Amino acid sequence: ETGVTQSPTHLIKTRGQQVTLRCSSQSGHNTVSWYQQALGQGPQFIFQYYREEENGRGNFPPRFSGLQFPNYSSELNVNALELDDSALYLCASSQRVGGGEKLFFGSGTQLSVL
Amino acid sequence: DQQVKQNSPSLSVQEGRISILNCDYTNSMFDYFLWYKKYPAEGPTFLISISSIKDKNEDGRFTVFLNKSAKHLSLHIVPSQPGDSAVYFCAASVLTGTYKYIFGTGTRLKVLA
Repeated sequence: ETGVTQSPTHLIKTRGQQVTLRCSSQSGHNTVSWYQQALGQGPQFIFQYYREEENGRGNFPPRFSGLQFPNYSSELNVNALELDDSALYLCASSQRVGGGEKLFFGSGTQLSVL
Repeated sequence: DQQVKQNSPSLSVQEGRISILNCDYTNSMFDYFLWYKKYPAEGPTFLISISSIKDKNEDGRFTVFLNKSAKHLSLHIVPSQPGDSAVYFCAASVLTGTYKYIFGTGTRLKVLA
């Protein structure tokens, strides 16, 4: 139990549509990251938010955007969905441990784009 | 450009024996490494970490070894248990600015009873 919850668990959209995925982080964790995991691959970093500001971005186009709210919740928005956006989307909140940063993942949202 | 590689997609081990999962990286700037375990329909769960100032870290049955000159890390599980059957991911990061983790593609471990 990581204390990170994501909704919905599954979602089906059609190409060109827009989608919003939601995440509730552990209380006290002021950093949230979003990752995309395609089938057979490891999670790929999309972006990170720290104190409601974007704090870094991976190789994803601008149609992937996010928000972080003061109540430790966050959103991932994807516009103009493409078939290749079909993947598991993981939210992770962070805690410093042993000189590094430990990620606590939610169970993910499985997005299918038809 | 895959900066973190797990070259064995799967591994089968007998219960009670040692499981060794390997991970190679190419970026010498990486200075913090994590191992995660993932069961189906669940998010990855943190197992163990190591910083580049160490070459070994132990936590119960799990030990991570880091060889910086070879840019290689390994996870040892002793003794292996059927409940350890899962997909294992290694991840690496540079501990400045954004804690952006680069994950490998995972190794599916099956522990046979």
